[in-house]
Amino acid sequence: NAGVTQTPKFQVLKTGQSMTLQCAQDMNHEYMSWYRQDPGMGLRLIHYSVGAGITDQGEVPNGYNVSRSTTEDFPLRLLSAAPSQTSVYFCASSYSGGATRGTDTQYFGPGTRLTVL
Amino acid sequence: ELKVEQNPLFLSMQEGKNYTIYCNYSTTSDRLYWYRQDPGKSLESLFVLLSNGAVKQEGRLMASLDTKARLSTLHITAAVHDLSATYFCAVGGTSYGKLTFGQGTILTVHP
Repeated sequence: NAGVTQTPKFQVLKTGQSMTLQCAQDMNHEYMSWYRQDPGMGLRLIHYSVGAGITDQGEVPNGYNVSRSTTEDFPLRLLSAAPSQTSVYFCASSYSGGATRGTDTQYFGPGTRLTVL
Repeated sequence: ELKVEQNPLFLSMQEGKNYTIYCNYSTTSDRLYWYRQDPGKSLESLFVLLSNGAVKQEGRLMASLDTKARLSTLHITAAVHDLSATYFCAVGGTSYGKLTFGQGTILTVHP
C-alpha cells in the first residue's frame, strides 16, 4: 500500500492564481481530511469528507473548495490564491471500523509546501 | 467550539531526565491522539486513547487520559536525543475525520 499520497510536494503561486492540491489513498478509508499547518498554530482543519459525495467545512474553509467523487481521491482547490494561504498542507484519511468501533486514527500524507507571492 | 491547549510549547531537556507534556481540551470527547512530527516531515501516530483512565506506553513514552479533567499527559522517561521532535495532541470531534490539534510542543533533548 502506498498509503496517503499528495502532489505536488512544493508549489509557488502568484496572488490570484488557482490550483488544485491532489490527495489519494489506497486503504479504502471512508474519511478524508485536509489540514493546514502554520508555525505555532498546530494543524487546522480546512474541509473533511465522510464518504464519496459528502463533504463538510472545518475550522478554516474560506478560500478553499473540495469535492469527493471517489473513495480514493480528495482534491483541494484554491480558487484565488492569497499570501495568507502560504502554508504546509496535509491530507489525512481514517476509517470507522464498521461494526467494530474504529479509532479514527488519521494517517497523514507527506504534505505540500505552498508559497503564495 | 473545541479548544485544545498544550503546555509547555517549548521543552529543552537533558538526556536522562524525565518530563511531562500536558494537553487540556475544552469539551467532552472520547478520542485523544498523540502524534510526533520530525522537522520537514509528516505526522506519525504515537497513541490513541479512547477511554477514561486509558494508559499506553511505547518505549520511553507513556500517554494517559483523564476524560473527567479533560486532560491527557505524555510522559517522557530518561530522555534520549532521538526523542527530539514536535509532539501534538489532538482531540476527536463529533464526526470521524475531524481532529482539533493543540499548538504542538517542540522538544529538544541535549546531551
